[in-house]
Amino acid sequence: QQQVKQSPQSLIVQKGGISIINCAYENTAFDYFPWYQQFPGKGPALLIAIRPDVSEKKEGRFTISFNKSAKQFSLHIMDSQPGDSATYFCAASFNTDKLIFGTGTRLQVFP
Amino acid sequence: GAVVSQHPSWVICKSGTSVKIECRSLDFQATTMFWYRQFPKQSLMLMATSNEGSKATYEQGVEKDKFLINHASLTLSTLTVTSAHPEDSSFYICSASQQAEAFFGQGTRLTVV
Repeated sequence: QQQVKQSPQSLIVQKGGISIINCAYENTAFDYFPWYQQFPGKGPALLIAIRPDVSEKKEGRFTISFNKSAKQFSLHIMDSQPGDSATYFCAASFNTDKLIFGTGTRLQVFP
Repeated sequence: GAVVSQHPSWVICKSGTSVKIECRSLDFQATTMFWYRQFPKQSLMLMATSNEGSKATYEQGVEKDKFLINHASLTLSTLTVTSAHPEDSSFYICSASQQAEAFFGQGTRLTVV
């Protein structure tokens, strides 16, 4: 009920390509779905977040697609750059409390 | 976004000693903060919820007597790892919410030798 499943575990993308990471949740009470970017030795940095009342949110090169009926959401990184190489975590919670994190995706963008 | 600051960034301590980690919300007040733990190449796991002016609530399996949490003001929560052992070595991260978004500190790397 509390799990958030994330895939793929790792992703290799060429510079300029699109990176896509998927997550699925179980608890229908969740109403906050953020994505975080984490570099080694650093805390997670909030990239973008969505609420269930919209199906898509875009901020710059980052887009979240949200499918409430399927209980799935995904992160799309357009025009991926080597500087985007990091670990990405999806998460879910009720009202930003007690975030449940996915297992993480290690993204490598090659020039 | 809002700034959450942790101190220290890293600490090395001897087995059996206690270590205190501070988490501050720099430009906002937080009645609730959260403490997470992250092992290498793993995800973040919630340890406890820190409540200003009252006792912290701990997740199942987290020893409250080992991980003491104090939230004495609206901008400061502290996590004290008591009688630390090598298995407590980990990356500890706090978070706080502002304007309906959750922000994290930079983390504290604890190494117990």
